[in-house]
Amino acid sequence: DVKVTQSSRYLVKRTGEKVFLECVQDMDHENMFWYRQDPGLGLRLIYFSYDVKMKEKGDIPEGYSVSREKKERFSLILESASTNQTSMYLCASSTGSSGANVLTFGAGSRLTVL
Amino acid sequence: DQQVKQNSPSLSVQEGRISILNCDYTNSMFDYFLWYKKYPAEGPTFLISISSIKDKNEDGRFTVFLNKSAKHLSLHIVPSQPGDSAVYFCAAYVMDSSYKLIFGSGTRLLVRP
Repeated sequence: DVKVTQSSRYLVKRTGEKVFLECVQDMDHENMFWYRQDPGLGLRLIYFSYDVKMKEKGDIPEGYSVSREKKERFSLILESASTNQTSMYLCASSTGSSGANVLTFGAGSRLTVL
Repeated sequence: DQQVKQNSPSLSVQEGRISILNCDYTNSMFDYFLWYKKYPAEGPTFLISISSIKDKNEDGRFTVFLNKSAKHLSLHIVPSQPGDSAVYFCAAYVMDSSYKLIFGSGTRLLVRP
């Protein structure tokens, strides 16, 4: 059973702070993703990675960076948090095989920036 | 510019009746469509998918219909159960080297006992 673990479920940070969101998957998936979920906007892709040390910008990468030093771990970094980054952040992973790109999601990290 | 649209933010249905959730898309290149269900405080979970070469896919109480000419898909839940109350996201995907799923804004389903 694929498991995607997001270590922090709830975070409260101040404007300007550096924030790290960690995500670990245990099924040897090639692809990993960071989405944010906002009311009325659904899930929007921030960054994704299809291999170690590889990263691709999603639809809303501004203000974020990512790191994938190991296959199982994908980190989202907010270099200087701002109030408009208050959101639910969802990490996901999937295999690189053909067919439906079924993502397995973590439980989410709710970030509040004051 | 939303490529995947769920125009109904909420839907309320009586237990035992049919729930129909709708989704429209604009990108004719999409060749795979998926539905995810999300409970509060949990991540979305995969529910059912359909390839663009099909017009229907069924899995138990859940059936997804695809109308390519109308760029429309729908999820039918029959019979609806209170445990189906959740937010449902439609998502679409172009099967090339990109692995990007594009999600709709979601529809909150409430199944009344």
